[in-house]
Amino acid sequence: EVQLVESGGGLVQPGRSLRLSCAASGFTFDDYAMHWVRQAPGKGLEWVSGISWNSGSIGYADSVKGRFTISRDNAKNSLYLQMNSLRAEDTALYYCARAPSTVTTEGYFDYWGQGTLVTVSS
Amino acid sequence: QSVLTQPPSVSGAPGQRVTISCTGSSSNIGAGYDVHWYQQLPGTAPKLLIYGNSNRPSGVPDRFSGSKSGTSASLAISGLQAEDEADYYCQSYDSSLSGSYVFGTGTKVTVL
Repeated sequence: EVQLVESGGGLVQPGRSLRLSCAASGFTFDDYAMHWVRQAPGKGLEWVSGISWNSGSIGYADSVKGRFTISRDNAKNSLYLQMNSLRAEDTALYYCARAPSTVTTEGYFDYWGQGTLVTVSS
Repeated sequence: QSVLTQPPSVSGAPGQRVTISCTGSSSNIGAGYDVHWYQQLPGTAPKLLIYGNSNRPSGVPDRFSGSKSGTSASLAISGLQAEDEADYYCQSYDSSLSGSYVFGTGTKVTVL
């Protein structure tokens, strides 16, 4: 059974940093591209970042480019999101999602975690 | 900001058929990129409902169907059931944005 379990969320002050993790199981992790998608309270879905199977291709939404860094450790079956210079508008539930592809060009998300909540507030 | 536009809400009685539109542009749906649909039940993570415009993953009832034409796509739910009450999102890819996957604005389906 495919499982994606996010962790690392919490309350953080504006301008500070936070690192999210996503532990994957139930599938061969390095056969798939992985993504982060977020959802602000009461709002819609927003793609944040994606990384190819071998970290060779990485993409970011314009709203986080230069502040967030996605990475993965295939040996640990884990996906990460380093979030720096956090802003109030980054407050959201952050989902880890799998793409049924090795690359990050086009496609969809076939499995999602339950999300980890990030709240940016002073 | 979402680049795919959906109606905020649709409703129908049990057993009826409802459709949700997803309108894009020449840089996403109109450029030939596939459209995918997700269902988000209250308090849960999104679930893939339709991929590649019209394909259902294993386990998704055939009451759900998708189509695409030009710069738009549609999700149809036939034989509406109480458990279909949820938020629905379309998703595609946009070539005008840097490496960007784009979602629709979302539609709340209410079963009357």
